[in-house]
Amino acid sequence: QKEVEQNSGPLSVPEGAIASLNCTYSDRVSQSFFWYRQYSGKSPELIMSIYSNGDKEDGRFTAQLNKASQYVSLLIRDSQPSDSATYLCAVRTIYNQGGKLIFGQGTELSVKP
Amino acid sequence: GAGVSQSPSNKVTEKGKDVELRCDPISGHTALYWYRQSLGQGLEFLIYFQGNSAPDKSGLPSDRFSAERTGGSVSTLTIQRTQQEDSAVYLCASSYRDGPTFLEAFFGQGTRLTVV
Repeated sequence: QKEVEQNSGPLSVPEGAIASLNCTYSDRVSQSFFWYRQYSGKSPELIMSIYSNGDKEDGRFTAQLNKASQYVSLLIRDSQPSDSATYLCAVRTIYNQGGKLIFGQGTELSVKP
Repeated sequence: GAGVSQSPSNKVTEKGKDVELRCDPISGHTALYWYRQSLGQGLEFLIYFQGNSAPDKSGLPSDRFSAERTGGSVSTLTIQRTQQEDSAVYLCASSYRDGPTFLEAFFGQGTRLTVV
């Protein structure tokens, strides 16, 4: 079982719709959770961080965390063509000295005008 | 200060040669990570440094790969006797630790390594 799993996609949504991206993780004691966006040929850029159960909203983005289900998601409201990118889920595991940051394989999102 | 800085941006080397990739993290960030990303693939964890603790080297793919971090700041990833399968983008990231909590990690622009 991979430590962090995402559907590879591609996920295609029409402009203005809600895009829902999902991620599961295997280490029950994981502490911190992050969503990154990566455009083709560029390095990942941070979108959201979430540390406790529940929802966290930032503009058009909402991160949701459920530690009991070991599940984290990202909702993008009013999707725009400029949101088309690969979205990476990252989980910080805690063991040994702690802090190792593990990424999922990413979900490719395509927003159609 | 400035963001994470990596050099060189691009490196073309001949098979069998050694290469060194440099990462200069954000000032004050105690954690530093190296990842490798092959074309169309996800981020493969290589090595992680936290302060003065022993690094987590569990992701290094072979003993040809090594990394060091001097003075808790700049890090160098060295690949000896490069092979064509080492061709990839090598990404460095750094983050700050606030007590027990590791905050967000920020990436450099990466080094694109091509082994010919």
